Order: sequence, then C-alpha cells, then structure tokens
Amino acid sequence: KAGVTQTPRYLIKTRGQQVTLSCSPISGHRSVSWYQQTPGQGLQFLFEYFSETQRNKGNFPGRFSGRQFSNSRSEMNVSTLELGDSALYLCASSLGTAGGGGNTIYFGEGSWLTVV
Amino acid sequence: AQTVTQSQPEMSVQEAETVTLSCTYDTSESDYYLFWYKQPPSRQMILVIRQEAYKQQNATENRFSVNFQKAAKSFSLKISDSQLGDAAMYFCAYKRTASKLTFGTGTRLQVTL
Repeated sequence: KAGVTQTPRYLIKTRGQQVTLSCSPISGHRSVSWYQQTPGQGLQFLFEYFSETQRNKGNFPGRFSGRQFSNSRSEMNVSTLELGDSALYLCASSLGTAGGGGNTIYFGEGSWLTVV
Repeated sequence: AQTVTQSQPEMSVQEAETVTLSCTYDTSESDYYLFWYKQPPSRQMILVIRQEAYKQQNATENRFSVNFQKAAKSFSLKISDSQLGDAAMYFCAYKRTASKLTFGTGTRLQVTL
C-alpha cells in the first residue's frame, strides 16, 4: 500500500511569489491535514480537510489556504511568500472517522520550501 | 487548550541499553489518543506507537513500550535494546477524535557505541 506522497519535495521561491504544494493520501483515507515545521516554532497545525470540506484550521494568516479534491488529494497554497514561510511542510492522512485506527495519522516525507 | 510537554531536549543511550523519554500533557478531556512519532534525519514523521486513553493496558510495539499514567497525564516511551537506527527526534503527540495533532517540542535521542 503506497504511503502519503508529497510533491514537490524541494523548492525555492522568491519573496512575494506564491507556491502550491500537493499531497496524495493513503488509499482509502479521507482526511488530509497539513503541518508546518520550523526550528523556532516546532510543529504547527495548518488545516485539515475531510471529504472536501475544511474541518479544522490552525492559527495561520489568510495567505495560507488549502483544498481537497473528490479523490481526497489535497493542495495547499501560500500566497505572497515571506522569508518566515521557509519551512518543512508535512502532509498527513488518516481514515478520518472515529474509533479503531481511524485516528492514527500517517505522514508524508514533506516538502521543503525555501523563500529567498 | 491542550499542551504537550517534553522536558528532555536531548537524551543519550548506549547501544543495547534501555532509555525512557518523558512526556506530559494537559487536557480536560477523558477520550483522546496519544502517539510517539520518530523523525530521523530524512525528516519523515514515522509512527512509533499509539495509545487510546480508554485503554488501561500500556501499548507495546516490539522494542518500544509506553508507560501511560492517565491520572498523572504522563505518557513515557521506553526503548529497549537500543539500536543505532533509533537515533532521531522523538515527538509525543496528543489528539482527540476529528481534531488536530498537538505535538511536544521533541527529544533528540543519540545512540552511542
């Protein structure tokens, strides 16, 4: 069974540009969530999508947005990039339903974003 | 808000020895899940072990086991027979159903010969 797949793995952008990151969850998983990891702030939750609807949202500015498609694949977009957006962006998937293994979250390898 | 605290920024263990990583959390809920994730230099977050709060029995996965003390809100990870491949950052995390993962700040584990 394939794991969580994130693309691209590495990218460099210039301040003011925008970026789109993609995530394909484990087959059968309907929940996709995104986390930002930086040395200073640690792991912070961005948002979660379940069945194409945003179910939870972290405390990030509106420049950060996401969406989920009918096949559960998800994208996150960051507009007007700032230097502080440089981070590892981790996507994770889970069944999304209560009980059993539904609450175990599996992570992808991450997308490294560098803003210069 | 739920918080997760890992008070040991770094730990070191000799190969084949046992090490325990500490984690405490704060919550007013009774139904939740706890996890330990391992993040090696590749940076992929790998699930090590999970514990359901309603289960009194401590979870085990091969050389990894937890000591879950619900009343004390403590969730420590014991690694037995440590191996070089165990060297990584270890994150403790808390989650409620249909909610986000809340992570601790991590413990960097070094394994020496």
